[in-house]
Amino acid sequence: EAQVTQNPRYLITVTGKKLTVTCSQNMNHEYMSWYRQDPGLGLRQIYYSMNVEVTDKGDVPEGYKVSRKEKRNFPLILESPSPNQTSLYFCASSRAPGAHQPQHFGDGTRLSIL
Amino acid sequence: GENVEQHPSTLSVQEGDSAVIKCTYSDSASNYFPWYKQELGKRPQLIIDIRSNVGEKKDQRIAVTLNKTAKHFSLHITETQPEDSAVYFCAPPLDNYGQNFVFGPGTRLSVLP
Repeated sequence: EAQVTQNPRYLITVTGKKLTVTCSQNMNHEYMSWYRQDPGLGLRQIYYSMNVEVTDKGDVPEGYKVSRKEKRNFPLILESPSPNQTSLYFCASSRAPGAHQPQHFGDGTRLSIL
Repeated sequence: GENVEQHPSTLSVQEGDSAVIKCTYSDSASNYFPWYKQELGKRPQLIIDIRSNVGEKKDQRIAVTLNKTAKHFSLHITETQPEDSAVYFCAPPLDNYGQNFVFGPGTRLSVLP
């Protein structure tokens, strides 16, 4: 089954404790992206990647890191999480940039930073 | 930067009525115009999209119309059903390459039985 898988689905942690949210897709998609969703603000893009070893900042990249060492994986790293990063996070992928393909989203990861 | 607005922010309709949600954008470089539906507690899913060389696209009860000159595109849902209740997002890309997306703030549609 074609899917985007995020882990963990839920996480409660404390300020400053490094964490990684994994994202994996099995559709051989070139494009992957991370979003955060906050009430009243919709979905805001954090980082995106057009292909292996190619990443770029979205609208709200501060406090986040990403890597794209393999085509299928696109982890989101919070080196020193803070309470304002408490949010619902979605990973998404699409077949190729420039081809105007729809994005396929994972089920989301709810992070709470205390 | 790109400014994306949706109107209305909330919409309640009676089952069987039609619903229309409008998305306005500021960046004229956009050539791809998707609409996503997000049910409560679930992930966003594409329901319909349109490219700039087409003015209208229809898929059963759902249609999208595009006015590139006026920089807006609209989602039309006819014969609404309770399962249409969700938040709907438009997401025009910032550029022709379809890499950097800006989502609208969302419209919460409630279909009353």
